[in-house]
Amino acid sequence: EPEVTQTPSHQVTQMGQEVILRCVPISNHLYFYWYRQILGQKVEFLVSFYNNEISEKSEIFDDQFSVERPDGSNFTLKIRSTKLEDSAMYFCASSDWGRTEAFFGQGTRLTVV
Amino acid sequence: EDKVVQSPLSLVVHEGDTVTLNCSYEVTNFRSLLWYKQEKKAPTFLFMLTSSGIEKKSGRLSSILDKKELFSILNITATQTGDSAIYLCAVEADTGFQKLVFGTGTRLLVSP
Repeated sequence: EPEVTQTPSHQVTQMGQEVILRCVPISNHLYFYWYRQILGQKVEFLVSFYNNEISEKSEIFDDQFSVERPDGSNFTLKIRSTKLEDSAMYFCASSDWGRTEAFFGQGTRLTVV
Repeated sequence: EDKVVQSPLSLVVHEGDTVTLNCSYEVTNFRSLLWYKQEKKAPTFLFMLTSSGIEKKSGRLSSILDKKELFSILNITATQTGDSAIYLCAVEADTGFQKLVFGTGTRLLVSP
């Protein structure tokens, strides 16, 4: 069964460092998303991406964040200068068109120290 | 602001029991409500509901939506230990490409 793949599963980084979280969405999907879940809190929407551009973003998704689809398969989330409060589980998701359920990856646990 | 409230926050039942999980919502321009099961990491999709009164069913799980009263329930019959998980409710507003607003989830523990 096709699935969304995320790497790495766990990343530890020093405050102020840049991190790139990687995702391979399901191959025929066209819509891509990043969500995050701070430990013990709700899953929160960060950004949606379609046709090589951001279609919607939340207030969490400030200038420190960026997304890219560098080739036909990968979808990345970059955090330029990490802060302690960026520590969370980051989920990538994809859907085949914007009106059906999103399928989530296993997540990357980011720990900023 | 769009809001999703789930209850109870946690629940402990015995194998074989039937459980009902609740989700109420406030969202501008409602499009759909989704239920996910979160075990260790990734939320896995269970149901998407768009119309009132139509029950969706998958094995021992079923769900229904009431768009007038703005809530949904998820029922699990004959619970098994493998049903232990966090059940997430999310709503999608008709404003963009599936920006989901999640509730805090209901943590279900099924004891043998």
